Amino acid sequence: GEDVEQSLFLSVREGDSSVINCTYTDSSSTYLYWYKQEPGAGLQLLTYIFSNMDMKQDQRLTVLLNKKDKHLSLRIADTQTGDSAIYFCAESIKGSYIPTFGRGTSLIVHP
Amino acid sequence: KAGVTQTPRYLIKTRGQQVTLSCSPISGHRSVSWYQQTPGQGLQFLFEYFSETQRNKGNFPGRFSGRQFSNSRSEMNVSTLELGDSALYLCASSPGVGANNEQFFGPGTRLTVL
Repeated sequence: GEDVEQSLFLSVREGDSSVINCTYTDSSSTYLYWYKQEPGAGLQLLTYIFSNMDMKQDQRLTVLLNKKDKHLSLRIADTQTGDSAIYFCAESIKGSYIPTFGRGTSLIVHP
Repeated sequence: KAGVTQTPRYLIKTRGQQVTLSCSPISGHRSVSWYQQTPGQGLQFLFEYFSETQRNKGNFPGRFSGRQFSNSRSEMNVSTLELGDSALYLCASSPGVGANNEQFFGPGTRLTVL
């Protein structure tokens, strides 16, 4: 199986919260990242969390890490149409800092 | 400060040709990484350069090569193009190496192989 897995699509109504989930397999992950890719653009780092943390909040973004289940989630509060993009989860493992990316989740925000 | 720039933005080639893509990192950044993005395989790491030296290499055939110049600009070359090389090639720069160095991505070069 893949190292980092994400669901492919998520559709939400504007103003609702979005929760994008990710699972990873390597227990030696040191950093876990969330990137955003808008159409025609490269990836933008949204936030990252160290593997010894459980939660990180940054304005409308909340990252939750469950190390036991190797599960990472990104919650976007008050989702806006401008949040429509592909969101990538990535991990870097101990001894390597090259991130391994998931396939990405397409977030569609409709009015 | 200007972001990561990649040229050209779009490219169409035919099978068997070779192609060179260019990446200019953010001023002061010394590390440049290359990724291939396809619908089927997602984002795959190609290689990373730091101070003109290749530090890491992904699992790609020898047709894929790269280099970095003294001004940190980087090029990647793909020889004997195959249809499966059609992809978005992303370059990312960071100040140094290590997981705490944020990577800044360019907009990518869309390569189509006919």
